[in-house]
Amino acid sequence: DAGVTQSPTHLIKTRGQQVTLRCSPKSGHDTVSWYQQALGQGPQFIFQYYEEEERQRGNFPDRFSGHQFPNYSSELNVNALLLGDSALYLCASSLSGEWRDTQYFGPGTRLTVL
Amino acid sequence: AQRVTQPEKLLSVFKGAPVELKCNYSYSGSPELFWYVQYSRQRLQLLLRHISRESIKGFTADLNKGETSFHLKKPFAQEEDSAMYYCALIGYGGSQGNLIFGKGTKLSVKP
Repeated sequence: DAGVTQSPTHLIKTRGQQVTLRCSPKSGHDTVSWYQQALGQGPQFIFQYYEEEERQRGNFPDRFSGHQFPNYSSELNVNALLLGDSALYLCASSLSGEWRDTQYFGPGTRLTVL
Repeated sequence: AQRVTQPEKLLSVFKGAPVELKCNYSYSGSPELFWYVQYSRQRLQLLLRHISRESIKGFTADLNKGETSFHLKKPFAQEEDSAMYYCALIGYGGSQGNLIFGKGTKLSVKP
């Protein structure tokens, strides 16, 4: 099991563009959470998907949206990119709908907005 | 407000010295607390969680509700412990399911 995988590894976009990041959860996991990690900061929660629905959302604008597919993989979409969206985007998966369950992280996607 | 504070950005110790990485939290209720570690060029991974009460790689952490702290300790640091350490909590209520992280402490263990 490769664990949580994310693609692409790196991405460079310009302001105003749109981006889609992808995540495949650890085998057997059905819950996916997305985090944004700015330089020098801890990860900050964006939202969580379970059973193909957004179950919880952090303090991020509507420009950030997501989706979960029947195979539990997930996408994070960011519209109208701003310079401040430059960060490492982390995906984490967990085993069940139990919110206390341990979250396993992917390697992240480094997004640079110019 | 739910918050995790790690007061030290950088902690530098010599090999064999004791290590204590500080973590304080602000949360009304009984949060569940974690320590995550990120070694160079590796992904963020769980080191330990307080509910397990286990010791991983010689590290332990005790939840002190009176002081709202969850400090990470190791009696004898090793060079391979050099990494970025993040304290995090999962809360009840509106924060169900999401980890709230501190800003992290970089531990450097010198030979």
